[in-house]
Amino acid sequence: DSGVTQTPKHLITATGQRVTLRCSPRSGDLSVYWYQQSLDQGLQFLIQYYNGEERAKGNILERFSAQQFPDLHSELNLSSLELGDSALYFCASSEGLAGWAQYFGPGTRLLVL
Amino acid sequence: KNEVEQSPQNLTAQEGEFITINCSYSVGISALHWLQQHPGGGIVSLFMLSSGKKKHGRLIATINIQEKHSSLHITASHPRDSAVYICAPYGGSQGNLIFGKGTKLSVKP
Repeated sequence: DSGVTQTPKHLITATGQRVTLRCSPRSGDLSVYWYQQSLDQGLQFLIQYYNGEERAKGNILERFSAQQFPDLHSELNLSSLELGDSALYFCASSEGLAGWAQYFGPGTRLLVL
Repeated sequence: KNEVEQSPQNLTAQEGEFITINCSYSVGISALHWLQQHPGGGIVSLFMLSSGKKKHGRLIATINIQEKHSSLHITASHPRDSAVYICAPYGGSQGNLIFGKGTKLSVKP
């Protein structure tokens, strides 16, 4: 158990809809990272937040957004969903700004029908 | 060209065999993770290393920063080692984790 929690575990929704994925980091970790794992693209970095502020952006679509709250949990919002957004979404956390030591959550499996 | 190349893509072994998975990367990094992903989907970081060699049970990871190469070895492989192993250097153009496509290992009893 990494100490990182994600909810929900599974999510089934329809195209055009909007969903919110939630992540709680390990106790004491200030950074949260979001990753997408799809069958064709593999694992990709989406975005990093550190102590409430966005710090790094990867291959995140404009339809996706994230935020980190004062209690350090983070939410990833996916809107105008398309079939191709079906994927596993992982969050990870690290103690500091540098993310070379990251702990992964169990993931949320999103299926868009 | 991918920044991270893993080989082999797929590997089938008999229980007890010694296994090696290789990872080469083309960017400057400060550390590298070896991740394990079981069929259920969860990801576990097996190792994080920035130099030399680390050992944990039957697993050994090595890295040569100058040659931009890392290897993961599994001694006396077991069916429960069946999983996807992903090399993930930390660094590169985004200054974050970048991922290999993974090696799918299947160990037969």
